[in-house]
Amino acid sequence: GAVVSQHPSRVICKSGTSVKIECRSLDFQATTMFWYRQFPKKSLMLMATSNEGSKATYEQGVEKDKFLINHASLTLSTLTVTSAHPEDSSFYICSALRQGDYSNQPQHFGDGTRLSIL
Amino acid sequence: GQQLNQSPQSMFIQEGEDVSMNCTSSSIFNTWLWYKQDPGEGPVLLIALYKAGELTSNGRLTAQFGITRKDSFLNISASIPSDVGIYFCAGQGWDSGGGADGLTFGKGTHLIIQP
Repeated sequence: GAVVSQHPSRVICKSGTSVKIECRSLDFQATTMFWYRQFPKKSLMLMATSNEGSKATYEQGVEKDKFLINHASLTLSTLTVTSAHPEDSSFYICSALRQGDYSNQPQHFGDGTRLSIL
Repeated sequence: GQQLNQSPQSMFIQEGEDVSMNCTSSSIFNTWLWYKQDPGEGPVLLIALYKAGELTSNGRLTAQFGITRKDSFLNISASIPSDVGIYFCAGQGWDSGGGADGLTFGKGTHLIIQP
């Protein structure tokens, strides 16, 4: 299989708090992981691409100082939402690509983290 | 960011009916994927398509990768209640370094099945 685990599944915190979300590939090594955000009744939008051992690549309009990404190992990427505000409330989902040939592999998604900022 | 044109936006069908949805893009993709998402969960992969013209089945699901690499469709035959959910198409390209791009998603098709 290709299992991606995301933790926590739900976070509720006060405005100004920093929140860390973990994305782990449980049964494979992932050189590349992706972070998406999904607002209610909307589609998933790519935020950034996380490559093991290098800096993340952010999509246009995504603040890199606001959304800190660390991909320190082949099985773990973290997204930290710094000084979160109510407008950051969303469903954050990660996906991972198995290390190796990308020409015939799909991305496998975690179950997402529901972030609610009060 | 870019989104794919996915239609229909929602479908109300009777159990047992066939379903068809499609996605188009102004850009070429190397891979087309179809996912299903239940509320509060991450997307689950249904079918992945890697070659233009490819037609692939997964049980009652059939999907095709358009020849132009700018479109794909998903068919569900003989729908059942558990097919209810939101279906997303997604396209994937490759970056300039040969690595995989993140996915570009369609807006989703909300499938509702009436008993």
